[in-house]
Amino acid sequence: EIMMTQSPATLSVSPGERATLSCRASQSVSSNLAWYQQKPGQAPRLLIYGASTRATDIPARFSGSGSGTEFTLTISSLQSEDFAVYYCQQYNNWPPLTFGGGTKVEIK
Amino acid sequence: QVHLVESGGGVVQPGRALRLSCEASGFTFRNHGMHWVRQAPGKGLEWLAIIWFDETKEYYADSVRGRFTISRDNSKNTLYLQMNSLRAEDTAVYYCARDFKSYTRILSHWGQGTLVSVSS
Repeated sequence: EIMMTQSPATLSVSPGERATLSCRASQSVSSNLAWYQQKPGQAPRLLIYGASTRATDIPARFSGSGSGTEFTLTISSLQSEDFAVYYCQQYNNWPPLTFGGGTKVEIK
Repeated sequence: QVHLVESGGGVVQPGRALRLSCEASGFTFRNHGMHWVRQAPGKGLEWLAIIWFDETKEYYADSVRGRFTISRDNSKNTLYLQMNSLRAEDTAVYYCARDFKSYTRILSHWGQGTLVSVSS
């Protein structure tokens, strides 16, 4: 089973600043990585797939990069609606599909 | 607009069974793989199972294999999760999710979830 590790667990950022979230896989997952956003009391929402392709209607301030074992989600200028928990998920070696533990982006 | 609505959650005693349903609308259900994912209170996401768009294949997480069964009725646009021999650690919000395409394993759309609480 591929283990996904996200860091940091919590990221404190001021509105308008850049946020950089990391996700590491225990072995290569190629570019088969997705990012999801989850707000309190809501279901997750797909942001990025294929490591760098934005899903439908996702703003351009969200970008993904990386391949192999190291991945990054960048939010270029944080808006109030971006404060949430973010999860990465690999879909290269499965079953099972595996998620990281999440990074909470909070207001500084 | 894709819409997924889970139902069937509730409070159940350990060892008992429960069946969850997920009604789909706004897309051609029979063309997409479907997943179940759960989230224990205050915890992260755990993938549970996938069923192929044409019902020919199913895969499970080790934690539920042999106890849970995923199924679908393409004539009713409905996904199911039969959960047997429930344990306290199965307490979670259960989400159904649509695969991006047939079986990409990208979860493109999610329902709002249904809460299952296993307690005596």
